[in-house]
Amino acid sequence: DAGVIQSPRHEVTEMGQEVTLRCKPISGHDYLFWYRQTMMRGLELLIYFNNNVPIDDSGMPEDRFSAKMPNASFSTLKIQPSEPRDSAVYFCASSLADAYNEQFFGPGTRLTVL
Amino acid sequence: KNEVEQSPQNLTAQEGEFITINCSYSVGISALHWLQQHPGGGIVSLFMLSSGKKKHGRLIATINIQEKHSSLHITASHPRDSAVYICAVGSGSRLTFGEGTQLTVNP
Repeated sequence: DAGVIQSPRHEVTEMGQEVTLRCKPISGHDYLFWYRQTMMRGLELLIYFNNNVPIDDSGMPEDRFSAKMPNASFSTLKIQPSEPRDSAVYFCASSLADAYNEQFFGPGTRLTVL
Repeated sequence: KNEVEQSPQNLTAQEGEFITINCSYSVGISALHWLQQHPGGGIVSLFMLSSGKKKHGRLIATINIQEKHSSLHITASHPRDSAVYICAVGSGSRLTFGEGTQLTVNP
C-alpha cells in the first residue's frame, strides 16, 4: 500500500484565497483524522471521520474551515478565506477499525498564507 | 498546565548512550502513543500502549497507568535516532499531543 497520500505537499497562497487540501487514506481504514501543526501550538486535532461521517469537529478553529469525506478513499479540508495565521503543516492520518489502533500519517501539506 | 507534558524538551546525547524521554498526563486515557517526527517532517507511530511495556528493536516504551506516566527508552542510540519524539494520549478517538522532545544524537 502507498500509505496515506496528501496533496499538495506545499501550498503558497495569498490572504483571502480559498485553499483545498486533499487526503487519500489507506484502503480499508475506517477512521480519518485531520491535524494541524504549528510552532506555537504543536499538533492539534481538527476533525475526524468514521466511515465517512464526521464524528468530532470541535477542533476546527472557525467557520472558515470545513472538511468533507464524500467517500472512503477521499477527504478534503477547505479554508475559505485563508488568513496568514492559517500557515501551518496539515497532516491527514488514518487508522483501522477503531480509533484505538495505530494511526498512519500522511506526509503533510505545508501551507503558507501571505 | 498542559494535559500532556514531556521532558526534557531538548536532549543531546553521544552515540551509544541510553536515552529516556518522559511523558506525564493529567487526563483519563484509553491509550498512549509515541510518535517520531524526522527533520523532513514525516510522522511515524512508534508505539501504542495501554499498559505495561512494549519493545521494538532498540526502543522500549513503558506506561504506569496509576501514576499517569510513560517513558520512551532508546538503547545504544545512533545519529539516525535524531528526531522529535511526541507523546500523545488517546481519550476515545481524540489524541492530545505533548510538545515533543527534540533529540540530537552526535556521532
